[in-house]
Amino acid sequence: NAGVTQTPKFQVLKTGQSMTLQCAQDMNHNSMYWYRQDPGMGLRLIYYSASEGTTDKGEVPNGYNVSRLNKREFSLRLESAAPSQTSVYFCASGTFSTDTQYFGPGTRLTVL
Amino acid sequence: KQEVTQIPAALSVPEGENLVLNCSFTDSAIYNLQWFRQDPGKGLTSLLLIQSSQREQTSGRLNASLDKSSGRSTLYIAASQPGDSATYLCAVSGNMLTFGGGTRLMVKP
Repeated sequence: NAGVTQTPKFQVLKTGQSMTLQCAQDMNHNSMYWYRQDPGMGLRLIYYSASEGTTDKGEVPNGYNVSRLNKREFSLRLESAAPSQTSVYFCASGTFSTDTQYFGPGTRLTVL
Repeated sequence: KQEVTQIPAALSVPEGENLVLNCSFTDSAIYNLQWFRQDPGKGLTSLLLIQSSQREQTSGRLNASLDKSSGRSTLYIAASQPGDSATYLCAVSGNMLTFGGGTRLMVKP
């Protein structure tokens, strides 16, 4: 039982490049989430998917897109990376939107 | 907009001391409040979840309380150990989970 897995663990991009962060969970959870964590800002919700086939914006969605590929997988795409998107990105999943959430190990992204 | 504040931002205590971490939130219309632990370079691990109808939850040496009317929660850690050193985050659940900035705890042997 791997829980929530994220790939890659580390990534360096140049401004304007694009990339997709992958997330998968094996706990049969309905809800999945993408957060970013910045020093002094705590975690902020980027996008979430309450159930397969639905996605909604969180607090800081600008510059990102998401895809809920199936119940297990939820990807986050940066179309044109900017230095302001340098952060640690966490994926999480939960049974319901009001239930506890289980977090992946994170992706540390640097945009030069 | 929900805002969550944690005080202090950092705390250093000697091993064996009992300690309290504080969390306050501005909107009392919440489903639950959760406390998480984050080790350096790692993801978050859920410690305790208190439903909005509950007053407290306990797990081992940890006890979390919730006072919705005053918008406050505390995490009490008894007999602290060096292995408790980590960042502790609280988060409140409304339409989405809103996190505080965390308290970085160092327990010295």
